[in-house]
Amino acid sequence: GAGVSQSPRYKVAKRGQDVALRCDPISGHVSLFWYQQALGQGPEFLTYFQNEAQLDKSGLPSDRFFAERPEGSVSTLKIQRTQQEDSAVYLCASSLTGQPQPQHFGDGTRLSIL
Amino acid sequence: GDSVTQMEGPVTLSEEAFLTINCTYTATGYPSLFWYVQYPGEGLQLLLKATKADDKGSNKGFEATYRKETTSFHLEKGSVQVSDSAVYFCALSPSYNQGGKLIFGQGTELSVKP
Repeated sequence: GAGVSQSPRYKVAKRGQDVALRCDPISGHVSLFWYQQALGQGPEFLTYFQNEAQLDKSGLPSDRFFAERPEGSVSTLKIQRTQQEDSAVYLCASSLTGQPQPQHFGDGTRLSIL
Repeated sequence: GDSVTQMEGPVTLSEEAFLTINCTYTATGYPSLFWYVQYPGEGLQLLLKATKADDKGSNKGFEATYRKETTSFHLEKGSVQVSDSAVYFCALSPSYNQGGKLIFGQGTELSVKP
């Protein structure tokens, strides 16, 4: 079946622009996660949804980062007024429920801020 | 806070050699532990998991045992193949966080030569 789908695969933006990254989770998966992965590092947790409710946003690095999942399926991660340090791969993952269910990851969106 | 530490890479082995990738963790309570693998050009995939002390996770010839007394979850394989070349990530899911967010180590790159 279809896995987690992220778009776009690559995004280049100028510093100061706003960007929006999309995640389509596996159908029926209740939980959705966003992670940020810097080059050569492990993914770092950003935020978590259970259905449409954002239950944990403790990893969002600043108020420029905003995520939503209005209908409990597709999610969008928005970054406002991008800065160079936002350059990273943004990963989305989904799971049937919370722990200890395994998370299924998308291929990520590689964001480059010029 | 909770954290995961992995041995630094890259690790280079000859085919059929024995593999160990060390992973230790710091966490309150009893986290769930995971190994994820990222093959070149692909997304993160769950390799194996263990949810309580002394559990052994295994898959594709890889094994790891949840050692509470040494706070470790070392990955082992008796005979590696060229196709095992990838980046391996150790991760934990905190016991206090029912949502199941993952905390990753920095990753260990494995290169297997024929």
